[in-house]
Amino acid sequence: QQQVKQSPQSLIVQKGGISIINCAYENTAFDYFPWYQQFPGKGPALLIAIRPDVSEKKEGRFTISFNKSAKQFSLHIMDSQPGDSATYFCAASRSGSARQLTFGSGTQLTVLP
Amino acid sequence: DGGITQSPKYLFRKEGQNVTLSCEQNLNHDAMYWYRQDPGQGLRLIYYSQIVNDFQKGDIAEGYSVSREKKESFPLTVTSAQKNPTAFYLCASSILSSGNTIYFGEGSWLTVV
Repeated sequence: QQQVKQSPQSLIVQKGGISIINCAYENTAFDYFPWYQQFPGKGPALLIAIRPDVSEKKEGRFTISFNKSAKQFSLHIMDSQPGDSATYFCAASRSGSARQLTFGSGTQLTVLP
Repeated sequence: DGGITQSPKYLFRKEGQNVTLSCEQNLNHDAMYWYRQDPGQGLRLIYYSQIVNDFQKGDIAEGYSVSREKKESFPLTVTSAQKNPTAFYLCASSILSSGNTIYFGEGSWLTVV
């Protein structure tokens, strides 16, 4: 099964708060888990990515937490800012797969000023 | 500047017409992809290509066709057989091996009138 399930579909957070987006996958062969950020009318851009040999990766205000046994990973945005308002997609891929990424359905994040 | 160029940005099609979306990359990437994006449904893979003169169907290839005559070019034709073509189309590319960053173009909006 190639599916990646993402939640919530939409999220509203106050400025300075923590935004948390969750994803779950079924295929245990997946070994690369990126998050993409997309602004309206633009193409998605890579935000941060993790491989299953680590449980957490942090880049600035963005952190990926990875739980291999639960087959779940999440994106945490600390000190959320109005400029973070965008749609976020999780994705997963398997080494050796030419298809590359399977995407979640996306989360529309709104950070209120 | 290096990147992926999609054209046109906006396109209107009459029912029964074929239209072709252009995608050019100067990143020297071997692999190229076409995704379709509908509101609330994430990104769905239409076609992908690993090398020149070779391409494979993705999850929603019906009603679409592609060609890969040059490494840097991967045009997508939306045929009259595609019953619901109104969507945002994204072209992407990556180096060949999986688990690497996929870079997206800015997208093309196609509307059937």
